[in-house]
Amino acid sequence: NAGVTQTPKFQVLKTGQSMTLQCAQDMNHEYMSWYRQDPGMGLRLIHYSVGAGITDQGEVPNGYNVSRSTTEDFPLRLLSAAPSQTSVYFCASSTTGVPRTYFGPGTRLTVT
Amino acid sequence: KQEVTQIPAALSVPEGENLVLNCSFTDSAIYNLQWFRQDPGKGLTSLLLIQSSQREQTSGRLNASLDKSSGRSTLYIAASQPGDSATYLCASTGGGSQGNLIFGKGTKLSVKP
Repeated sequence: NAGVTQTPKFQVLKTGQSMTLQCAQDMNHEYMSWYRQDPGMGLRLIHYSVGAGITDQGEVPNGYNVSRSTTEDFPLRLLSAAPSQTSVYFCASSTTGVPRTYFGPGTRLTVT
Repeated sequence: KQEVTQIPAALSVPEGENLVLNCSFTDSAIYNLQWFRQDPGKGLTSLLLIQSSQREQTSGRLNASLDKSSGRSTLYIAASQPGDSATYLCASTGGGSQGNLIFGKGTKLSVKP
């Protein structure tokens, strides 16, 4: 199993540009989520999904969109990038049976 | 709203020492608590998961305990090694879904040879 994969690893955007961060898991997990990690703030939940076709907002959802058309994929879209979205983004997945959480390697995003 | 606090923020110990990392949370109605390890520039690796009906979990030199009534969890590392140097994060379940995690800010551990 590849586990949780994320692309790209690094990205630089200009203010106002849009982009999609990709996340995929091959463990058939129902639950997937996106976090951002900032110095001094720790990890905060952006959006999450409890299954295909179901998404909901986390603690810091503004400026981000998600969709979940398949069990495997959970992309995060930045609609109009702002410098405040400079961060490291992590995708995670887990299952309801034994909910150990698996994280991807992260995407380091810089918005100039 | 659940809040998770970790003390200390940083810890430096000599190799071979046993050590305890602390985690406290404000809402005792949790589904589970997890301890993670994060190496610089890397993702998080789940070390131990304690479900709400359990008191502790063990994996090798690691032992994690959970006391919901006092809102505390500890991670015990026995016979520390330089390879244990990393940031350790605890996370409890948050609102909305039992998969949602509320993280502490972590303890950065340095084990000196």
